[in-house]
Amino acid sequence: TQLLEQSPQFLSIQEGENLTVYCNSSSVFSSLQWYRQEPGEGPVLLVTVVTGGEVKKLKRLTFQFGDARKDSSLHITAAQTGDTGLYLCAGGNPGAGSYQLTFGKGTKLSVIP
Amino acid sequence: NAGVTQTPKFQVLKTGQSMTLQCAQDMNHNSMYWYRQDPGMGLRLIYYSASEGTTDKGEVPNGYNVSRLNKREFSLRLESAAPSQTSVYFCASTLGRGSLYNEQFFGPGTRLTVL
Repeated sequence: TQLLEQSPQFLSIQEGENLTVYCNSSSVFSSLQWYRQEPGEGPVLLVTVVTGGEVKKLKRLTFQFGDARKDSSLHITAAQTGDTGLYLCAGGNPGAGSYQLTFGKGTKLSVIP
Repeated sequence: NAGVTQTPKFQVLKTGQSMTLQCAQDMNHNSMYWYRQDPGMGLRLIYYSASEGTTDKGEVPNGYNVSRLNKREFSLRLESAAPSQTSVYFCASTLGRGSLYNEQFFGPGTRLTVL
């Protein structure tokens, strides 16, 4: 069974601060996705990383996939209140017609004005 | 495009009652999924349908049944609701066969309370 561990589980920071969220596994994934879920809504895909060592930027968000494709991080620069939400990482191995994703339990981020 | 739609948005049941959660997608996706989300437990897969005509159990299938009615629609049925099934239920879809990364698109969720 593949597992994804996210840390921290909860994070409360002041507006303008920087933060990093981690997603770790003992298993290799061919792709890793990050989703954001706002209260009362479903998760929304932010980014997919597929190459070991890959770095992708989405405005103030920087996503990195580990060299061994077992871990990933999300760094937010100068957090804003609009960044508040639950951040989920999900690993995929679309072989054998499975098309399932393994989800981490999430990091709940609160950005205080 | 509406994406993934779910009905109802909220539901309260008494123990032992039955109900069906409806899900539809208009993205011509092949694969569809039902998850439940509980505090501290993350998203747990209940059932999925890799393609029209097929369904398979996920991590927590007990107490649920599913029907892939056609390519667009995937319903989740609770035959005899129990308080342990109080949760938020999400339907999701992905292109599936032909997709490199299985990026999933989620509906807005159904908030179910079983008394």
